[in-house]
Amino acid sequence: AQSVTQLGSHVSVSEGALVLLRCNYSSSVPPYLFWYVQYPNQGLQLLLKYTSAATLVKGINGFEAEFKKSETSFHLTKPSAHMSDAAEYFCAVSLNAGNMLTFGGGTRLMVKP
Amino acid sequence: ETGVTQSPTHLIKTRGQQVTLRCSSQSGHNTVSWYQQALGQGPQFIFQYYREEENGRGNFPPRFSGLQFPNYSSELNVNALELDDSALYLCASSRGGYGATQETQYFGPGTRLLVL
Repeated sequence: AQSVTQLGSHVSVSEGALVLLRCNYSSSVPPYLFWYVQYPNQGLQLLLKYTSAATLVKGINGFEAEFKKSETSFHLTKPSAHMSDAAEYFCAVSLNAGNMLTFGGGTRLMVKP
Repeated sequence: ETGVTQSPTHLIKTRGQQVTLRCSSQSGHNTVSWYQQALGQGPQFIFQYYREEENGRGNFPPRFSGLQFPNYSSELNVNALELDDSALYLCASSRGGYGATQETQYFGPGTRLLVL
């Protein structure tokens, strides 16, 4: 069975500062990894996904994530936070070929002016 | 805007009742997945349908059931509602089925269910 742990249920950064959201996974086989963002009262939007090609994955809105097998991590970063980045972020893993996702508990990102 | 719509947006039911939630997939998507998101938690996978057949199921009891129709719309049915069923229910559509891990899932805005 696979699992996902997101360290820090709340992260607060200043506008313009580096954003770092942590995700660690547990898997017995090479996983597919995803980051989704959820704005208030909305569904989930895919930011980026790792599918065993490049270990550094670039996504939308300036976000990127690096797959580190030795650390079983897939942390999400953005060099400079914007107020519009304030949202809930979810890391997810899929092992089977059917695209059935296991999500972490989420990290709420707050951006201070 | 993902092209995935869900109805209703909000719903209030009482314990023991039955509920049907609806999802309209993005055009051309033959796979639909349903997730339950309790308040303050990440979504949990309920089940997936591919070409009108259940293709996989998470750790949910049989009172959670689904249907997928030829036009790729789908339903989630929950019988004998319990208080803990209160949550945001999300559907997600994608192309493919088995072997489609790399296909992006597009999520709808969800239906918020409150069970009293």
